[in-house]
Amino acid sequence: SQQGEEDPQALSIQEGENATMNCSYKTSINNLQWYRQNSGRGLVHLILIRSNEREKHSGRLRVTLDTSKKSSSLLITASRAADTASYFCATEGGSYIPTFGRGTSLIVHP
Amino acid sequence: GAVVSQHPSWVICKSGTSVKIECRSLDFQATTMFWYRQFPKQSLMLMATSNEGSKATYEQGVEKDKFLINHASLTLSTLTVTSAHPEDSSFYICSASPLPGAAEQYFGPGTRLTVT
Repeated sequence: SQQGEEDPQALSIQEGENATMNCSYKTSINNLQWYRQNSGRGLVHLILIRSNEREKHSGRLRVTLDTSKKSSSLLITASRAADTASYFCATEGGSYIPTFGRGTSLIVHP
Repeated sequence: GAVVSQHPSWVICKSGTSVKIECRSLDFQATTMFWYRQFPKQSLMLMATSNEGSKATYEQGVEKDKFLINHASLTLSTLTVTSAHPEDSSFYICSASPLPGAAEQYFGPGTRLTVT
């Protein structure tokens, strides 16, 4: 299985701080995606990073990918209470069927 | 952006009854639709992949006779949980992709199923 595994499982920070979540996987991938899920809701796509890319930015989000270590990180800078959610990484190999990790639950205290 | 809707948002049913969940792509044609199941504080587990006009491909361990998937048109897929039991209670999420595969997929808001 090339299921992504996020760590930490849960993260609690104060508004304004940065939040970093990590994702590790087991086999080679074509791309890796990060999603956000608010409690009891569907998933919102955040960023897709391809296997030949090392870093991508989108607003306050920064994603890195290290294929040699089979890991990715999601950094949320200057966090806000509205960033409170679960964050999942999903890896895709040759079948282009995504496999999701268990997620990191982020709580940002106002 | 691309929008995917699910109906109903939540449903409570009695054990032994069947429940149908609809997934619609509102502003694009979905070549492929995916059905996921998510338990509380757990990951999304892919149940099946369906392409319009053909039979769904089920993941290992998913009973195709219990979870009936119909992808009748390019904008609609349905998941029917037949003879539901309390252990089928879960959050069911669909996603749709305008392309074959899942490189670009858009998720529905999910359906909470509770079987009593």
